[in-house]
Amino acid sequence: DTAVSQTPKYLVTQMGNDKSIKCEQNLGHDTMYWYKQDSKKFLKIMFSYNNKELIINETVPNRFSPKSPDKAHLNLHINSLELGDSAVYFCASSQSGTSTGELFFGEGSRLTVL
Amino acid sequence: GQSLEQPSEVTAVEGAIVQINCTYQTSGFYGLSWYQQHDGGAPTFLSYNALDGLEETGRFSSFLSRSDSYGYLLLQELQMKDSASYFCAVRSGYSTLTFGKGTMLLVSP
Repeated sequence: DTAVSQTPKYLVTQMGNDKSIKCEQNLGHDTMYWYKQDSKKFLKIMFSYNNKELIINETVPNRFSPKSPDKAHLNLHINSLELGDSAVYFCASSQSGTSTGELFFGEGSRLTVL
Repeated sequence: GQSLEQPSEVTAVEGAIVQINCTYQTSGFYGLSWYQQHDGGAPTFLSYNALDGLEETGRFSSFLSRSDSYGYLLLQELQMKDSASYFCAVRSGYSTLTFGKGTMLLVSP
């Protein structure tokens, strides 16, 4: 059973389109994240939700809109895609209050904008 | 804000020992984590230090000095499968983890 699963794994689309990436975790965690990893492998936090409430919203264009229908799901919708949005988007989850704060990552969704 | 510095690339041979350093500047500090990421894969958790000193987990050890804002990951008895990117990450809140830019480790035969 995959702990953190995200779909789709690959996404190729044209500039200006709108796309969504879905994430689900079956670990019972209360916190979920979206990270963006660019071509230089820099992992940057975009959003974090705790029990469906937005707690971290880094400086991200408002073309990116996260939605958490319940604490096991965190989806990412991107409007008006731009070339610079090409990256790997990782979903992750953790349980607040643990001693290590360990993040469990999904396998990533590679977005290519043409 | 937070900033972390680690070398961009380290090379070593099988069986050797390698140390990957990480220095950080942060407002608020809970601990320092290390993650491993193989090409095309997901980052996976390796270790966490909240207090000064060395934590050992098998071939991997991690060290933290809070007064120096410095930590390192030590990999012993290197194997080819250890070729990957290694990220240090500062935990500055219960749910706030900021990653360094990663160190690519290349292990050669």
